[in-house]
Amino acid sequence: DIQMTQSPSSLSASVGDRVTITCRASQSIDTFLNWYQQKPGKAPQLLIYTASNLQTGVPSRFSGSGSGTDFTLTITSLQPEDVATYFCQQSSITPPLTFGGGTKVAIK
Amino acid sequence: EVQLVESGGGLVKPGGSLRLSCAASGFRFSDFNMHWLRQAPGKGLEWLSSIGISNTYIYYADSVKGRFTVSRDDAKNSLYLQMNSLSAEDTAVYYCARDPGFRGMPGTRADYFDNWGQGTPVTVSS
Repeated sequence: DIQMTQSPSSLSASVGDRVTITCRASQSIDTFLNWYQQKPGKAPQLLIYTASNLQTGVPSRFSGSGSGTDFTLTITSLQPEDVATYFCQQSSITPPLTFGGGTKVAIK
Repeated sequence: EVQLVESGGGLVKPGGSLRLSCAASGFRFSDFNMHWLRQAPGKGLEWLSSIGISNTYIYYADSVKGRFTVSRDDAKNSLYLQMNSLSAEDTAVYYCARDPGFRGMPGTRADYFDNWGQGTPVTVSS
């Protein structure tokens, strides 16, 4: 099974800051990497698919990059409504479909 | 508008069974592969099962293989998860989710999740 490792597990940043979250796969997954946002008490929502494609309706301050084993999710200007936990998920070698442990983003 | 609504969760004793349902609307259900996932309290996301269109494939996570059974009824636009031999480790919020298809082509596999239900909580406790 492919293991997904996210870092950091939590972070605190100020409104307007640039935020970067990293996801690493235990082996190459090409660009088959997806990002989700989960706000407290809500279901996850798809943010980015296949590493860099923004899901319809997602603000352009979110972006994704990477290929192979290393990927990043960037929020260019953190907003209060971005307080959430972010998960990466690989869709390359399946089943199983595997997730990173999550990164909790808070406002400083 | 795509909607997925789970139901059937609740409190069950260890060793017991539950059947979860997921009612789909706003899209042609029979054209999409579907998934079940869960999230234990304070924990991350865990994929459980996938079912293809016309039952072309069915996959399970090792943690539920042999205990859980996924099925679908396209006439009722519904997805199901039969859960048997439940234990405390199965306590979680259970989600159904839609697979958008490879490059957005319904019926193909993308193995990610573009729409999620609101979740139904399952508590296994004596």
